[in-house]
Amino acid sequence: EDQVTQSPEALRLQEGESSSLNCSYTVSGLRGLFWYRQDPGKGPEFLFTLYSAGEEKEKERLKATLTKKESFLHITAPKPEDSATYLCAVQIPLPNTGNQFYFGTGTSLTVIP
Amino acid sequence: DGGITQSPKYLFRKEGQNVTLSCEQNLNHDAMYWYRQDPGQGLRLIYYSQIVNDFQKGDIAEGYSVSREKKESFPLTVTSAQKNPTAFYLCASSRIPWDRVGANVLTFGAGSRLTVL
Repeated sequence: EDQVTQSPEALRLQEGESSSLNCSYTVSGLRGLFWYRQDPGKGPEFLFTLYSAGEEKEKERLKATLTKKESFLHITAPKPEDSATYLCAVQIPLPNTGNQFYFGTGTSLTVIP
Repeated sequence: DGGITQSPKYLFRKEGQNVTLSCEQNLNHDAMYWYRQDPGQGLRLIYYSQIVNDFQKGDIAEGYSVSREKKESFPLTVTSAQKNPTAFYLCASSRIPWDRVGANVLTFGAGSRLTVL
């Protein structure tokens, strides 16, 4: 069964304290892995897409990496405005119906000033 | 600016009532989706559509219905048959073709929160 698991469920960091969020997946035929940021009561916002093992993407204090079984979202020197829920999603092909996206349950990040 | 507009943001439903959530996009995307988000669970797909007048059931379609009469619009009706409709509903869209790597970033609306009284 295709699965996406994110850990930890919640993470509290002091401002400036770097850490990593994990997204592990067991799917057949990964076409892409996506990271989204979701603020409370709002829709997810796209951050990164990764397609193959070894790929890395960076944006400000965030860096996403991908291996054959998992992805990490590294947060360097976080600020309070980085507080949000971070969602991971994988895209897999389905016969005759295009692609499907499977989402993890997210990691709720709180950065304390 | 291009984007997805969902309305209403908050909706209250009495038991036995049908309600319709609106989703409009001006991104010229071919594909549109409806997801349901519950605490402690990942987003779950309700319905999706790749072209006008065609749509497919997702993982949790029971108790829901959709239509796609225009490329820009993909309304979701939550029927009285949906036993536990209280949730946060998200509409999304993406480009096609899906069989090309890199095409499928989802753009989400701001969501609609439905509460059953």
